[in-house]
Amino acid sequence: QLQLQESGPGLVKPSETLSLTCSISGDSIISPNYYWAWLRQPPGEGLEWIGSMYYNEDTYYNSLLGSRVTISADMSKNQLSLKLNSVTAADTAVYYCAKHPQAPNFESWGQGTQVVVSS
Amino acid sequence: QSVLTQPPSMSAAPGQKVTISCSGSNFNIGSNTVSWYQKLPGRAPKLIIYENDKRPSGISDRFSGSKSGTSATLGITGLQTGDEADYFCGTWDYSLRAHVFGPGAKVTVL
Repeated sequence: QLQLQESGPGLVKPSETLSLTCSISGDSIISPNYYWAWLRQPPGEGLEWIGSMYYNEDTYYNSLLGSRVTISADMSKNQLSLKLNSVTAADTAVYYCAKHPQAPNFESWGQGTQVVVSS
Repeated sequence: QSVLTQPPSMSAAPGQKVTISCSGSNFNIGSNTVSWYQKLPGRAPKLIIYENDKRPSGISDRFSGSKSGTSATLGITGLQTGDEADYFCGTWDYSLRAHVFGPGAKVTVL
């Protein structure tokens, strides 16, 4: 059974880089025809898609986050990573990793990890 | 500001039915399939409807989905206390080139 587990520092200082890891078990990050994504939910707000990576490592991002986002994979560890630089308080959120096909159906989600941006 | 619109909250008595709307445009709902997610407090979102009206394995048939034009609807029948949650619609927006979600509708069981 697929399990996704996000991890990373819960507190990041403004202007620094947020780095998170999603450990995948029960499936391979190179499963054909699937994407691996990062999403977030700021406190009191709705869900926001950050970006997705295809099994061949092609990536596409939410343009609203500009060039601050990088999603990558460590195939040897079966892990997905997120880097978000120059963070501000607006980046405070629960961050999730998820799996989806080409269709916009986020089928499986991790439990999420809380990140607070504060000095 | 979300490109998809949902009512902020809805409520009904146990056993009753609620319907949650999700309104968009030709750039999103009008051009792609819609999915629905249930989010319980402190829990990860769960996919309950995909491709407008399909239920993943294990999801109760009390949940149903439909789409017409640029709007979609989630229905919950036989409302239970365990259905108290936020419900989000989601789809792809061709103009924004992004996966987008509604702001969420909080369902309360009276």
